[in-house]
Amino acid sequence: ELKVEQNPLFLSMQEGKNYTIYCNYSTTSDRLYWYRQDPGKSLESLFVLLSNGAVKQEGRLMASLDTKARLSTLHITAAVHDLSATYFCAVDDDTGNQFYFGTGTSLTVIP
Amino acid sequence: DGGITQSPKYLFRKEGQNVTLSCEQNLNHDAMYWYRQDPGQGLRLIYYSQIVNDFQKGDIAEGYSVSREKKESFPLTVTSAQKNPTAFYLCASRWQRTGVYGYTFGSGTRLTVV
Repeated sequence: ELKVEQNPLFLSMQEGKNYTIYCNYSTTSDRLYWYRQDPGKSLESLFVLLSNGAVKQEGRLMASLDTKARLSTLHITAAVHDLSATYFCAVDDDTGNQFYFGTGTSLTVIP
Repeated sequence: DGGITQSPKYLFRKEGQNVTLSCEQNLNHDAMYWYRQDPGQGLRLIYYSQIVNDFQKGDIAEGYSVSREKKESFPLTVTSAQKNPTAFYLCASRWQRTGVYGYTFGSGTRLTVV
């Protein structure tokens, strides 16, 4: 059974601090996706990681992929309130026909 | 602008009623998906369709039905057989480039049983 596990599930951090969200998965796919969801809103694509060692950065967020460990990380640098949201990682099956989402990490940045 | 339109944004269903959620896309994507999201939880796949007139069950298809008569449209019917339908429903279509896939999501429909 394919599993995608994120931790932590809930994260409360002060502005200016750094933290990392972890995503472990069991599929053999080399593609890993990160999404952001604001409360009551849809999902917004953040990063697409396509190969081992891939690193993508956008503002205060940086995502990386280790396909050997089947682990992706989303690192938050110097958090600001605007980053408060729920972050999902997702992997596809080898055919790309289905995505499997993690349970999400609910991030609250406290002023 | 291309995108996915879900309607209505909010929907209230009485016990025993069937209701249909609309999903329309003008992205020319072949594959479309329906996900259910419960509070504090991830997304669970209900149904998906790779091409017109074809669809497959996802992990939680019981109590739901779909059709795919047009490439642009993938409506979801929540039947009275679905005992706990209150949730946030997201429709998505899949884009594809060489070696990579991704989803574009609609804005969602929040269904509440009254």
